[in-house]
Amino acid sequence: ETGVTQSPTHLIKTRGQQVTLRCSSQSGHNTVSWYQQALGQGPQFIFQYYREEENGRGNFPPRFSGLQFPNYSSELNVNALELDDSALYLCASSLGDISTDTQYFGPGTRLTVL
Amino acid sequence: RKEVEQDPGPFNVPEGATVAFNCTYSNSASQSFFWYRQDCRKEPKLLMSVYSSGNEDGRFTAQLNRASQYISLLIRDSKLSDSATYLCVGRLDRGSTLGRLYFGRGTQLTVWP
Repeated sequence: ETGVTQSPTHLIKTRGQQVTLRCSSQSGHNTVSWYQQALGQGPQFIFQYYREEENGRGNFPPRFSGLQFPNYSSELNVNALELDDSALYLCASSLGDISTDTQYFGPGTRLTVL
Repeated sequence: RKEVEQDPGPFNVPEGATVAFNCTYSNSASQSFFWYRQDCRKEPKLLMSVYSSGNEDGRFTAQLNRASQYISLLIRDSKLSDSATYLCVGRLDRGSTLGRLYFGRGTQLTVWP
């Protein structure tokens, strides 16, 4: 096991609703990245947080936002849900120098938007 | 154009077969490459890093050709437990996208008895 946990494991929402997904990093890891994996595709980078600051963002609209807390746990918030937001959401934690450090993935949250 | 392109397969091979996966990348600034393995409905897990000099780990061999922007993974003596999706991954190690992983769509492998 990687030591990275995510909650909830599954979630069903309807269009227009808001959702918050949570990630608890591996102990000592201060960098967290979030990825979206649609069915049949590879994960796509959403954004990254380092020591509570956003440290890079992929091609996702502003309704995707995040937070990292002092204990390095993290949240991904998605507002105004759309059908295409249905996907597996993965967080990955790493230790400090993320240019060289391995990113460890959590088990993911499977979001279904109806 | 996607940063990392790979054949989605599926590849269906018998136990004991040798199978090769290939992928190409478009961003020449990419510095590091990896193969990840993803089991059905699970998270991706790092299989191995890829180096220009080649990297071997048991039955698995990975190779990087920077001139051709081409990455390969060879699996020898396939086992049933090798059945999974194999993701080709690049990482930019400079600039504002530092540390961001770029995934291919994955190649599905099924090993049958």
